[in-house]
Amino acid sequence: GQNIDQPTEMTATEGAIVQINCTYQTSGFNGLFWYQQHAGEAPTFLSYNVLDGLEEKGRFSSFLSRSKGYSYLLLKELQMKDSASYLCAVLDSNYQLIWGAGTKLIIKP
Amino acid sequence: ETGVTQTPRHLVMGMTNKKSLKCEQHLGHNAMYWYKQSAKKPLELMFVYNFKEQTENNSVPSRFSPECPNSSHLFLHLHTLQPEDSALYLCASSQGTGNYNEQFFGPGTRLTVL
Repeated sequence: GQNIDQPTEMTATEGAIVQINCTYQTSGFNGLFWYQQHAGEAPTFLSYNVLDGLEEKGRFSSFLSRSKGYSYLLLKELQMKDSASYLCAVLDSNYQLIWGAGTKLIIKP
Repeated sequence: ETGVTQTPRHLVMGMTNKKSLKCEQHLGHNAMYWYKQSAKKPLELMFVYNFKEQTENNSVPSRFSPECPNSSHLFLHLHTLQPEDSALYLCASSQGTGNYNEQFFGPGTRLTVL
């Protein structure tokens, strides 16, 4: 079966750095997405990785290792507004998005 | 604002009611999706439409009936639902299906079935 694993919840301090991990086992791979979802709001696109390595976009970076079936989302200089759920999703060989259950990130002052 | 709107935002219905959820996208996309989001569970893909044609139905019970009259509008008709159908129903759209296609989500309809 297809599976995406990510931690259920993480807590971090304002101004700090946090890394949210995602491991996947899917039938084929055509890219990995990270989305952010604030409570009661729509998920919004953060990043897309299809090649190994690190993609940096401002305070957020996303890393992919296809051989390890592993990705992480790195958030720097955390702000209170970063409190949200972070969803990892993999595009499989049929171009279907397989979703993780999301990681709820709590930022404390 | 993601360019995808959903109405209503909240809905409470009894098991014998019939209701409809509406989704509209203002992005000129060709593909639209219905997802179910339950607490602490992965997003579950329900239906996919591409150029108004249904391309995916992930074994969804017949009490959920989708309708896509054009590329901008998507409906989900609900009848004789069960309490376990209570969830957040998300609509999304993308330029197409296949390969890299970022999906844009609406804010969802929070459905409670009594």
